[in-house]
Amino acid sequence: GQQLNQSPQSMFIQEGEDVSMNCTSSSIFNTWLWYKQDPGEGPVLLIALYKAGELTSNGRLTAQFGITRKDSFLNISASIPSDVGIYFCAGQPYNTGNQFYFGTGTSLTVIP
Amino acid sequence: NAGVMQNPRHLVRRRGQEARLRCSPMKGHSHVYWYRQLPEEGLKFMVYLQKENIIDESGMPKERFSAEFPKEGPSILRIQQVVRGDSAAYFCASSPRQVATNEKLFFGSGTQLSVL
Repeated sequence: GQQLNQSPQSMFIQEGEDVSMNCTSSSIFNTWLWYKQDPGEGPVLLIALYKAGELTSNGRLTAQFGITRKDSFLNISASIPSDVGIYFCAGQPYNTGNQFYFGTGTSLTVIP
Repeated sequence: NAGVMQNPRHLVRRRGQEARLRCSPMKGHSHVYWYRQLPEEGLKFMVYLQKENIIDESGMPKERFSAEFPKEGPSILRIQQVVRGDSAAYFCASSPRQVATNEKLFFGSGTQLSVL
């Protein structure tokens, strides 16, 4: 299956700092989704991206669909304690139509 | 508008028993996906179903695992003769139509399967 490389694997930041994480694929994708997962819960959709170069915001979150269509970025500004969790990227290769492949996640810890 | 509902939340089985996991998609959604997640890992695709049809089961183990989405009722993921390696969180997601048309996946809270 497809490999999605998500980095960093974990982050420890002070409250108020900005956060950046990214996801890269070995092939071209036509959709990128970003999710947040809390312990014991299912992933919650944060942002959906459908066009190369697209930049979309959801409150303090901003995500971009890379121009090469092989990567995506998620930024969180002015982090707060409730941002703690695991963030996953999910991408859909343009030539499959069915599956979304998930990255291995970025674990975010916010220190008050 | 209720979200994706999965039950049970926790399921404990002994080796050799059967596990049945249920998923009711969001209202108006006719497409269901099952994913498996091991600790510290991302979600791995298992199977994609529409009502009464399996569309893509490329991620499903060839033996012991089966899935259905009947015309009436929830989608069922069935694991026969469970082994310890089946212990994982199983998530169901739904979407209103085929994902290829730029849709989104909405996930349930998952079923944590523990095999003793």
